[in-house]
Amino acid sequence: GIQVEQSPPDLILQEGANSTLRCNFSDSVNNLQWFHQNPWGQLINLFYIPSGTKQNGRLSATTVATERYSLLYISSSQTTDSGVYFCAVPVTGGFKTIFGAGTRLFVKA
Amino acid sequence: SAVISQKPSRDICQRGTSLTIQCQVDSQVTMMFWYRQQPGQSLTLIATANQGSEATYESGFVIDKFPISRPNLTFSTLTVSNMSPEDSSIYLCSAMTGGLGYTFGSGTRLTVV
Repeated sequence: GIQVEQSPPDLILQEGANSTLRCNFSDSVNNLQWFHQNPWGQLINLFYIPSGTKQNGRLSATTVATERYSLLYISSSQTTDSGVYFCAVPVTGGFKTIFGAGTRLFVKA
Repeated sequence: SAVISQKPSRDICQRGTSLTIQCQVDSQVTMMFWYRQQPGQSLTLIATANQGSEATYESGFVIDKFPISRPNLTFSTLTVSNMSPEDSSIYLCSAMTGGLGYTFGSGTRLTVV
């Protein structure tokens, strides 16, 4: 089945710094999502981005489907950005979603 | 996109007991999904629940341990049966809503003692 790899696994930033998180996937996909899981466990949908680029405030995401990767950019990071960032893609030909292992981000004040 | 209400948000349960988790969607959805997230791990799909049919379970998950109900197009329950400490996890429900990907409930943090 499709494999999803995220990097880096862990990231520590000073508040105000920028970062790029990467998601590689092993098969073509027709959609991709980025989620932020806050320290209370709630999973927040950041982007639904099967291709192209989207921006939402300090966050933006780019998916290059032909090259099988997606990037999540966080600019001017804040302590509230801490948590785990997951990318998720659908199983080929189905409706099930497979999650990457996540990037654990800690932003220091 | 739709909103999914999940409860309870957390619980501490004795081993050998069962807990039922409920998810209510504010719009009709064809499929709902149940995930488990063990401490420090990613999300793993338990089963897919369609209204009017039995749930489809992923490898490693069985109906006797995780019975699921889907009585209508807006509601589903997951029961964690005969719990052991290894069942301590976050359980999340999900649905595809509005054609913009998947939305998740707020999760149930379960601790089994």
